[in-house]
Amino acid sequence: DAGITQSPRHKVTETGTPVTLRCHQTENHRYMYWYRQDPGHGLRLIHYSYGVKDTDKGEVSDGYSVSRSKTEDFLLTLESATSSQTSVYFCAISESSLAGLQTQYFGPGTRLLVL
Amino acid sequence: TQLLEQSPQFLSIQEGENLTVYCNSSSVFSSLQWYRQEPGEGPVLLVTVVTGGEVKKLKRLTFQFGDARKDSSLHITAAQPGDTGLYLCAGAPGYGQNFVFGPGTRLSVLP
Repeated sequence: DAGITQSPRHKVTETGTPVTLRCHQTENHRYMYWYRQDPGHGLRLIHYSYGVKDTDKGEVSDGYSVSRSKTEDFLLTLESATSSQTSVYFCAISESSLAGLQTQYFGPGTRLLVL
Repeated sequence: TQLLEQSPQFLSIQEGENLTVYCNSSSVFSSLQWYRQEPGEGPVLLVTVVTGGEVKKLKRLTFQFGDARKDSSLHITAAQPGDTGLYLCAGAPGYGQNFVFGPGTRLSVLP
């Protein structure tokens, strides 16, 4: 358990409305990630953060923005939700061993439905 | 773009049978991880393999990393209903690069 929580766990919204998902971690990890998971596509990286106010785009970043004003919180915002953004969203953190080996741990997910 | 393929996509077997699922790529990875995901939950790490040819065992699960570090397999002996879930492989391309995930193998073990 890497101390990762996500909120809300479920959300239904309408096309065109803004939506913000929150990821909270309790163990001071530097790296945090937002993924979406869709059938047949596995997990695809949306955005990631390598420190407070340091973020970068992932593979499927269009239509999403992120913010990280504190180490423990990483927010994902859909400025104007579309039906194609209906998905399950996972937050993750990564740990690095002394040998440089990275391991990712995931939160429980947020299921988002855009009508 | 580095890609990971997994096969089979779906697998339904009877309790007690053995099975193998595969994770393949044309790219080399510095390490590869296997996760299991149950419905409504996030992926949970099972194992990380790092060295080409490495074999790791976790009770009835055996993980192997290919010699060239481009592929991996997961073998389950005497599968049980509790093994049911989505098995994901993820490759770490190298230092400072993000993980790449395969699409997963959905396993159903029937009692």
